[in-house]
Amino acid sequence: QSVLTQPPSVSAAPGQKVTISCSGAGSNIANNYVSWYQQLPGTAPKLLIYDNNKRPSGIPDRFSGSKSGTSATLGITGLQTGDEADYYCGTWDSSLGVFGGGTKLTVL
Amino acid sequence: QVQLQESGPGLVKPSQTLSLTCTVSGGSISSGSYYWSWIRQPAGKGLEWIGRIYTSGSTNYNPSLKSRVTISVDTSKNQFSLKLSSVTAADTAVYYCARVGRHYDILTGYYVGGYYFDYWGQGTLVTVSS
Repeated sequence: QSVLTQPPSVSAAPGQKVTISCSGAGSNIANNYVSWYQQLPGTAPKLLIYDNNKRPSGIPDRFSGSKSGTSATLGITGLQTGDEADYYCGTWDSSLGVFGGGTKLTVL
Repeated sequence: QVQLQESGPGLVKPSQTLSLTCTVSGGSISSGSYYWSWIRQPAGKGLEWIGRIYTSGSTNYNPSLKSRVTISVDTSKNQFSLKLSSVTAADTAVYYCARVGRHYDILTGYYVGGYYFDYWGQGTLVTVSS
């Protein structure tokens, strides 16, 4: 049972937009920055978004993040087949790392 | 470019101690405002944070594993390590090491914002079986 709650799966057609939610609590998301990670099949997770809405160098602006209260959202526009992956949100809870259970994105 | 590489036995017997090492290259493990962390992922499941260590030796552990986990750092070798005792089949997973960083603002010279996992190792599969 993960501390942060994500939908198990989402899907959309190529070129469309999708959002992935991440729900937490006052002790974690509400009081800390949220980060997002993309895990392509068979590979290690990769940082996608940090500090709620900032993109590391090299991450296209098709990826965006937001946070409000105890929830955070990852948005992906202009979906590509290469975006098919598992996506995880992460944050901290009293200096302890916590992740969401992950969301599998299918690009139909 | 910082790189991390996990190493250690791929097979551990039940009740024994799992030991892994993460070697950091492309930068000193002692420099900057960074923690160093271990994360694991059972097959087909999500990420589980195991713990983190600062170069001062200060640690934080997942409460569900705290009684069995020890994370240590060897700055002379630019490595940090994980020991997990009394393992069972439930500890079978891919184990990742990762750097926990913050954004460095070059204008102010300060680290700002929150901590996040910015560099990851490729992961190593550890199977617990007799």
